Amino acid sequence: GQQLNQSPQSMFIQEGEDVSMNCTSSSIFNTWLWYKQEPGEGPVLLIALYKAGELTSNGRLTAQFGITRKDSFLNISASIPSDVGIYFCAGQNAGGTSYGKLTFGQGTILTVHP
Amino acid sequence: EPEVTQTPSHQVTQMGQEVILRCVPISNHLYFYWYRQILGQKVEFLVSFYNNEISEKSEIFDDQFSVERPDGSNFTLKIRSTKLEDSAMYFCAPQAPGEETQYFGPGTRLLVL
Repeated sequence: GQQLNQSPQSMFIQEGEDVSMNCTSSSIFNTWLWYKQEPGEGPVLLIALYKAGELTSNGRLTAQFGITRKDSFLNISASIPSDVGIYFCAGQNAGGTSYGKLTFGQGTILTVHP
Repeated sequence: EPEVTQTPSHQVTQMGQEVILRCVPISNHLYFYWYRQILGQKVEFLVSFYNNEISEKSEIFDDQFSVERPDGSNFTLKIRSTKLEDSAMYFCAPQAPGEETQYFGPGTRLLVL
């Protein structure tokens, strides 16, 4: 089946630093999504990318959809303690019986030291 | 962001017992998805449901699992005979027409003893 490789697995940074994480896939997705998950809660959508090459920002977050539709990155600028959590990338299919199905990366655990 | 509720929030059950997890969408959702997340692992697709039938299911979704939307509102996931390895968070993620992605419910934490 489809698999996403997400890296790094974990990051330990100081408050104020910038963060970058990325996902690659062997297959094409129509949509790339980035979610954040905090302990005991469901994933919360941060950014959705719909077009190859698209660069989208949401506050301090910036994400890009790779030209090949097989990769994406997420940047967080000027990190703050509340950025702590697990960040997941997810690829979404658009057609056929797999419509809407999300395939998730393994997650990046982000720890921010004040 | 549409709000989705899931019940129960936590469930502890004995191995071999049946459990029913419920998802209550708030909007005119047509597509429904269940995902599972074992503690410390990634979120995994279980099943998609559209027009009152399963669209796709993963290898995890074996004969012990079933889904239905009995009253046109609640969307349920049933595990007939739970196993220890079914212990996980189960997330419902409906999607409405015109929405280009899914929003996750808060999840049900299932613990099988």
